[in-house]
Amino acid sequence: RKEVEQDPGPFNVPEGATVAFNCTYSNSASQSFFWYRQDCRKEPKLLMSVYSSGNEDGRFTAQLNRASQYISLLIRDSKLSDSATYLCVVTLNFGNEKLTFGTGTRLTIIP
Amino acid sequence: DAMVIQNPRYQVTQFGKPVTLSCSQTLNHNVMYWYQQKSSQAPKLLFHYYDKDFNNEADTPDNFQSRRPNTSFCFLDIRSPGLGDAAMYLCATSRDSGSKRYTFGSGTRLTVV
Repeated sequence: RKEVEQDPGPFNVPEGATVAFNCTYSNSASQSFFWYRQDCRKEPKLLMSVYSSGNEDGRFTAQLNRASQYISLLIRDSKLSDSATYLCVVTLNFGNEKLTFGTGTRLTIIP
Repeated sequence: DAMVIQNPRYQVTQFGKPVTLSCSQTLNHNVMYWYQQKSSQAPKLLFHYYDKDFNNEADTPDNFQSRRPNTSFCFLDIRSPGLGDAAMYLCATSRDSGSKRYTFGSGTRLTVV
């Protein structure tokens, strides 16, 4: 079983729609959670951290469910510029906090 | 402005010919990481340095080596590249081992012919 699993998509969504991604992680000891965005042939960039209480950053909302070991990302009022691959990332707080990535979910916003 | 710089952006090497990828940083971060990302796959950690301490991932092939001569530079050496080593190689840094904030370089895309 992969440590971090995501639906690879692709998700093709009309501009202005709301889209949601889920991600599951296998290690219950995971402590920190993130969503990264990766544009085609570019490096991953941090989109937002994910907290147990849930957090929002503009049109983006992230949620964490520790009991079920899943993380979600909601994008409202999607823009063409949101087209990218969204990577779910977890870490273990064992000192050296290496990032463990999911394979990513490919999102394309259609005009 | 680039804080983590990888050179070159694109590298073509011959099957079996040693190749070195470089990464430099202006952030004075203690930790430097090398990730391998194959097409449509997740970035996979190969190894990282905490200062001068080298930490190899258990499943990183012996074909991959790394050097960190000083805080600013880190190199990835592939001793005998195979076709399966074609990938994007990402360098990242973090301030210390407890920092969750990584800064990635723009990557080097390696093609093996």
